[in-house]
Amino acid sequence: EIVLTQSPATLSLSPGERATLSCRASQSVNTYLAWYQQKPGQAPRLLIYDASNRAAGIPARFSGSGSGTDFTLTISSLEPEDFAVYYCQHRKNWPLTFGGGTKVEIK
Amino acid sequence: EVQLVESGGGLVQPGGSLRLSCTASGFTFSPYWMAWVRQAPGKGLEWVANVEQLESETQYADSVKGRFTISRDNPKNSLYLQMNSLRVEDTAVYYCARTYEYTGSYWGHWGQGTLVTVSS
Repeated sequence: EIVLTQSPATLSLSPGERATLSCRASQSVNTYLAWYQQKPGQAPRLLIYDASNRAAGIPARFSGSGSGTDFTLTISSLEPEDFAVYYCQHRKNWPLTFGGGTKVEIK
Repeated sequence: EVQLVESGGGLVQPGGSLRLSCTASGFTFSPYWMAWVRQAPGKGLEWVANVEQLESETQYADSVKGRFTISRDNPKNSLYLQMNSLRVEDTAVYYCARTYEYTGSYWGHWGQGTLVTVSS
């Protein structure tokens, strides 16, 4: 099973600041990695797939990069609605796994 | 508009069974892979099971293998999860999810979730 480790667990930032979230895989997942956003009481929302492709309707301030074992989700300038929990997920093989999440909170 | 509506959650005793349903609308159901993903209270996301276009192709997390069965009825636009031998640790919100593209195991659409509580 591929283990995805996200860091930091919590990121405290102010609106307008840049957020950089990390996801590290225990073995290579090539670029088979996605990022999701989840707000309290809501279902997750797909942001990025195949490491760097934005899903339909996702604002350009969200970008993803990386390959192999190290991946980054960057939010260029935080909007109030971006404060949420973010998860990475791979689809390299079975079982699919998610990272433990990074909470982006208002500083 | 893609809609996924789960039902069937509730309170069940350890060792009991429950069947979850997910009714899909707003898209052609049969070409898409579908999945169940769960989230224990206050915890992260856990993929549970996957079914490809044909019901014969399924995959399961080790934690549920042999106890849960995923199935689909394409003419009824419906996805199911039969859960047997339930354990306390199966307590979670269960989400029905559809792939972003036809295949590929990225979950682009989600239902609102149904809560399953396993407790005596």
